[in-house]
Amino acid sequence: QVQLQESGPGLVKPSQTLSLTCTVSAGSISSGNYYWSWIRQHPGKGLEWIGYIYYSGSTYYNPSLKSRVTISVDTSKNQFSLKLSSVTAADTAVYYCAREGDPAAMAPHAFDSWGQGTMVSVSS
Amino acid sequence: DIQMTQSPSSLSASVGDRVTITCQASQDISNYLNWYQQKPGKAPKLLIYHESILHTGVPSRFSGSGSGTDFTFNISSLQPEDIATYYCQQFDNLPYTFGQGTKLEIK
Repeated sequence: QVQLQESGPGLVKPSQTLSLTCTVSAGSISSGNYYWSWIRQHPGKGLEWIGYIYYSGSTYYNPSLKSRVTISVDTSKNQFSLKLSSVTAADTAVYYCAREGDPAAMAPHAFDSWGQGTMVSVSS
Repeated sequence: DIQMTQSPSSLSASVGDRVTITCQASQDISNYLNWYQQKPGKAPKLLIYHESILHTGVPSRFSGSGSGTDFTFNISSLQPEDIATYYCQQFDNLPYTFGQGTKLEIK
């Protein structure tokens, strides 16, 4: 059973860069068949998909955040990361990493495994 | 972006009731729709993918149907452990988008 775990600072200052890492265990990022996503949830609100990275390194970002987002992968550490630049209070949210099956997976294009989430507050 | 609209936003029902949640897409998404359950303080969990396929281990009281722009999520007999917020999500077009959620409470 694959497990995902987010890590990173819980407090970021306005205008700085938010950096989070998702460590994947009991499964290899580089084995293929999965996209690795970041999703956030503003306090008391719904879910917003930020973007994904494939094990090959190809990415897609939500156009609403594209100018500020970078998602990268480190297959040697079985981790993928999120960087969100120039943050404001509007970026305060719980950030989740999640696995999405590709067309060959059991649950294609569904987020079948999630991290527990990490709360990130943007404040001076 | 494709807008996903769920109704109702909140719902109160009794144990044993049949519960129905609807999700409407702003354009035709075929059957490219998933449903998730989120309990307070927890990450969402996948319940149904590709409109009607139950994810592994999900009880059969949950079901999904629909196509095009209109979708339905059902719980045939509400159980106390089903208290949660439910989200639909489309994967027809990037960026993926979610409905605003339906909060289900016990009456």
